[in-house]
Amino acid sequence: DAGVIQSPRHEVTEMGQEVTLRCKPISGHNSLFWYRQTMMRGLELLIYFNNNVPIDDSGMPEDRFSAKMPNASFSTLKIQPSEPRDSAVYFCASSFGLAVSYEQYFGPGTRLTVT
Amino acid sequence: SQQGEEDPQALSIQEGENATMNCSYKTSINNLQWYRQNSGRGLVHLILIRSNEREKHSGRLRVTLDTSKKSSSLLITASRAADTASYFCATDGAGRRALTFGSGTRLQVQP
Repeated sequence: DAGVIQSPRHEVTEMGQEVTLRCKPISGHNSLFWYRQTMMRGLELLIYFNNNVPIDDSGMPEDRFSAKMPNASFSTLKIQPSEPRDSAVYFCASSFGLAVSYEQYFGPGTRLTVT
Repeated sequence: SQQGEEDPQALSIQEGENATMNCSYKTSINNLQWYRQNSGRGLVHLILIRSNEREKHSGRLRVTLDTSKKSSSLLITASRAADTASYFCATDGAGRRALTFGSGTRLQVQP
């Protein structure tokens, strides 16, 4: 298996533009997680899905952020409109189950820069 | 606030020495996991310890858990330059069904 795949790996955009980050989880995994990592705030859980259903989106910073998982093999995280403070590395992770006894497999991340 | 907090924030040692990192957490847990992150990469799972376990080994890694003190430690023995990375503990609890990651310890192993 190729592991968790994220695209793009790097994204530079101007403030106000829409940004869409994509994730393909490991085949057979039924839980998917979106994280954001910055120096100031560390690794933050934004939202997670189980069987394509959003379970907890309390980490989503504001309404400008939205996430979807239309099927078991694809998820998107959208920021509209983007702001400079959204600059961060965004990670997608997947696991076999939602229970915290399962290890999570992380993708390589998308480095987002909003100017 | 973070459920897990690692200390030290940064650690620099010589190759061959042992490295010990600590994690403290606030609420009761079911499991605690340790992850490693190389610069510019995603996190990689190292080891999981359950709340009813006190110690676990995996290769050069040794993890302990003291639920009475709400703390865990990760020991890397005979460190190598390739162990240079950030190490994070992750816990459940705090009313969440997903993992909460600490702020990490940056380990530098000098060759």
